[in-house]
Amino acid sequence: EIVMTQSPATLSVSPGERATLSCRASQSVSSNLAWYQQKPGQAPRLLIYGASTRATGIPARFSGSGSGTEFTLTISSLQSEDFAVYYCQQYNNWPPLTFGPGTKVDIK
Amino acid sequence: QVQLVQSGAEVKKPGSSVKVSCKASGGTFSSYTISWVRQAPGQGLEWMGRIIPILGIANYAQKFQGRVTITADKSTSTAYMELSSLRSEDTAVYYCARDYDSSGYYWGYWGQGTLVTVSS
Repeated sequence: EIVMTQSPATLSVSPGERATLSCRASQSVSSNLAWYQQKPGQAPRLLIYGASTRATGIPARFSGSGSGTEFTLTISSLQSEDFAVYYCQQYNNWPPLTFGPGTKVDIK
Repeated sequence: QVQLVQSGAEVKKPGSSVKVSCKASGGTFSSYTISWVRQAPGQGLEWMGRIIPILGIANYAQKFQGRVTITADKSTSTAYMELSSLRSEDTAVYYCARDYDSSGYYWGYWGQGTLVTVSS
């Protein structure tokens, strides 16, 4: 099973600032990585797949990069609606499809 | 647009079973996969398994093998997840999710979640 880790666990950012979230896989997942955003009481929302492709309707301030074992989600200028928990998920080796533990982005 | 509507909250006794439904509308049900993902209170996301409705083939995470059964009824565009031998650690919100682009591996459409509480 591929184990996903994310850092930091919590990221405190001021509105308008840049946020950089990291995700690491225990072995290479090529570019088979997705990112989700989850707000309290809501289902996750797909942001990025294929490590860097934005899903339909996702603002351009969200960008993904990386391949192999190291990945990054960047939010270029945080808006109030971006404060949430972010999960990465690999789909290169399965079952199981696995998620990272999440990074909470909160207001500084 | 695609919508997934799940059945309501359940309270179950340890050792019993629960069956959660997920009715899809919009899109072509059989052409995509439906996965089940759960989230324990205050915890992260955990994939349980998936089904390809057009084939009726299900795959499961080994952790749940033998305890979970995922089925689909093409005639009603409804997927089901049944979890047996429930224990307190199974208390969670259970989500169904449809793949974004028929890849089967990442999900662009989610149900609203069903809270399953296991308590004596």
